[in-house]
Amino acid sequence: GQQVMQIPQYQHVQEGEDFTTYCNSSTTLSNIQWYKQRPGGHPVFLIQLVKSGEVKKQKRLTFQFGEAKKNSSLHITATQTTDVGTYFCAAEIKAAGNKLTFGGGTRVLVKP
Amino acid sequence: NAGVMQNPRHLVRRRGQEARLRCSPMKGHSHVYWYRQLPEEGLKFMVYLQKENIIDESGMPKERFSAEFPKEGPSILRIQQVVRGDSAAYFCASSPGMPANEQFFGPGTRLTVL
Repeated sequence: GQQVMQIPQYQHVQEGEDFTTYCNSSTTLSNIQWYKQRPGGHPVFLIQLVKSGEVKKQKRLTFQFGEAKKNSSLHITATQTTDVGTYFCAAEIKAAGNKLTFGGGTRVLVKP
Repeated sequence: NAGVMQNPRHLVRRRGQEARLRCSPMKGHSHVYWYRQLPEEGLKFMVYLQKENIIDESGMPKERFSAEFPKEGPSILRIQQVVRGDSAAYFCASSPGMPANEQFFGPGTRLTVL
């Protein structure tokens, strides 16, 4: 079964508003990565989090890794139309072998 | 400084034919990964290869699918006797080191089986 769950699956946001997408796992994660895929495009790496409780910022994007290393979040402030796309988290789960396990993604639509 | 290259970008096959998807990793990258993506769905891991070796093929169907990454040339994902359910986008990614590092994705091959 899926070991990395993302919620919500869809996010409709008014331009200028904030939103958060969450990534959860029942197992401890060695590290977590976030990717963005524009419609019709390919995934592009955004960030990697490794340490418990780690917080990283990229302009309007704030990424957080939970204290127990079982969850992560991506918060976007002042959403713009350029934020449209699907945001995936991907985790290395030792029990799953030597590979990245991707979440199902959060599809973000921005209303102008 | 070319990124990950995939070809063809679009491939149409009839049921029962073979599909060959090619991936050239970024220069200096020796780790290649293949993923499959259905519309409106996430990325499903298929196989992880290093030069001439399959490291993890746990996500690849046992029948009809095979992958290789020869010493020279691109990585190839081969699907024999395609069926309609094989229609999807197939993405290749590469990294300079272990999978836990950042992965660089190619533009994908969109396979349509008629």
